[in-house]
Amino acid sequence: KNQVEQSPQSLIILEGKNCTLQCNYTVSPFSNLRWYKQDTGRGPVSLTIMTFSENTKSNRRYTATLDADTKQSSLHITASQLSDSASYICVVSDSTNAGKSTFGDGTTLTVKP
Amino acid sequence: SQTIHQWPATLVQPVGSPLSLECTVEGTSNPNLYWYRQAAGRGLQLLFYSVGIGQISSEVPQNLSASRPQDRQFILSSKKLLLSDSGFYLCAWRVDRNTEAFFGQGTRLTVV
Repeated sequence: KNQVEQSPQSLIILEGKNCTLQCNYTVSPFSNLRWYKQDTGRGPVSLTIMTFSENTKSNRRYTATLDADTKQSSLHITASQLSDSASYICVVSDSTNAGKSTFGDGTTLTVKP
Repeated sequence: SQTIHQWPATLVQPVGSPLSLECTVEGTSNPNLYWYRQAAGRGLQLLFYSVGIGQISSEVPQNLSASRPQDRQFILSSKKLLLSDSGFYLCAWRVDRNTEAFFGQGTRLTVV
């Protein structure tokens, strides 16, 4: 069964600090991995999408890494801002179905002043 | 550019009443369309997906149904709502399985 596990479940940091969110998956055969940011009561918004051959991808203050061998990914947030407070969701797709993806439960990040 | 419209944002319905949530996509043709439900503090659960007009795949047995009457229109329905149908419903589209999904604003459904 395909699974995506995220850790920690929740995280509180001070503004300006860095943090790293983890995502472990068992989805196979692997197609791609995406990180989404979801503000409370809104739909998720894509941050990065990574394929098998990509190890690192950056988007402004967000840097995602992927280790396809160990089936792990991380999302590093640099110099956090209050607006970074949200749920971060890891989504992994396999290559056998018409776009079905497995979602993690998300990490709730709270950035405090 | 492509946009996705999902409405309403919030909805309160009595038990036993019907439901119709609509989602439309603009700026693209033949998208893959999806309906998800998200429980509080949990990940998204895929309910239905469609790869073309009239083609609906259901992921979980439930009190809901979906239809795709037009290429860029996806409708989530129920004949009689249950209390357990309450939740946050999200519509999404993508070009194909290898691309990212774009989500609508979501609908917070409360069945009372």
